[in-house]
Amino acid sequence: RKEVEQDPGPFNVPEGATVAFNCTYSNSASQSFFWYRQDCRKEPKLLMSVYSSGNEDGRFTAQLNRASQYISLLIRDSKLSDSATYLCAVTHGSSNTGKLIFGQGTTLQVKP
Amino acid sequence: GAGVSQSPRYKVAKRGQDVALRCDPISGHVSLFWYQQALGQGPEFLTYFQNEAQLDKSGLPSDRFFAERPEGSVSTLKIQRTQQEDSAVYLCASSRTGGSGGYTFGSGTRLTVV
Repeated sequence: RKEVEQDPGPFNVPEGATVAFNCTYSNSASQSFFWYRQDCRKEPKLLMSVYSSGNEDGRFTAQLNRASQYISLLIRDSKLSDSATYLCAVTHGSSNTGKLIFGQGTTLQVKP
Repeated sequence: GAGVSQSPRYKVAKRGQDVALRCDPISGHVSLFWYQQALGQGPEFLTYFQNEAQLDKSGLPSDRFFAERPEGSVSTLKIQRTQQEDSAVYLCASSRTGGSGGYTFGSGTRLTVV
């Protein structure tokens, strides 16, 4: 079993839809959590950090559930430009080096 | 520069050839990471530097892989006797401190071994 797991999708949704992705992690000592966005043939770019209390940035909401060891990303009113692969990343155990373990990524395709 | 710079952008190597990939981190960033990303997968950790010290090389897949950062700035990832399974995108990232913040990736080097 991989340390960080995501459903690869693809998720095909119409413009304006709300879509949610989950990501599970196996190491209960992990302390920091992130969502990255990766466009085709580009590098991953940090979308948002995920905090215990949950956090929102415009149309994007991230949640952390430590008890069940998963993080989620909710995208409201999806746009064509949201089409990309979304990678979740968690710190490796209690490491304070910043080493991140990534999931496989979930592909989102927003259709007109 | 403003971001993490990697070169070359693309590299085609014949099987058995040695390659060297370069990473210029953001100026002043202490931490530097190398990741390998195969097609359809997430980035996989290779190695981590804090300044010039290589503190974690647990992700290097074999002793054919070697990384250095001699002056605590530019880093080079070297792959000796390349194999087809080494074909991937090699990503470099840097951050101001090790800490727990997310970091900035370079555009990567796409290595194809033929």
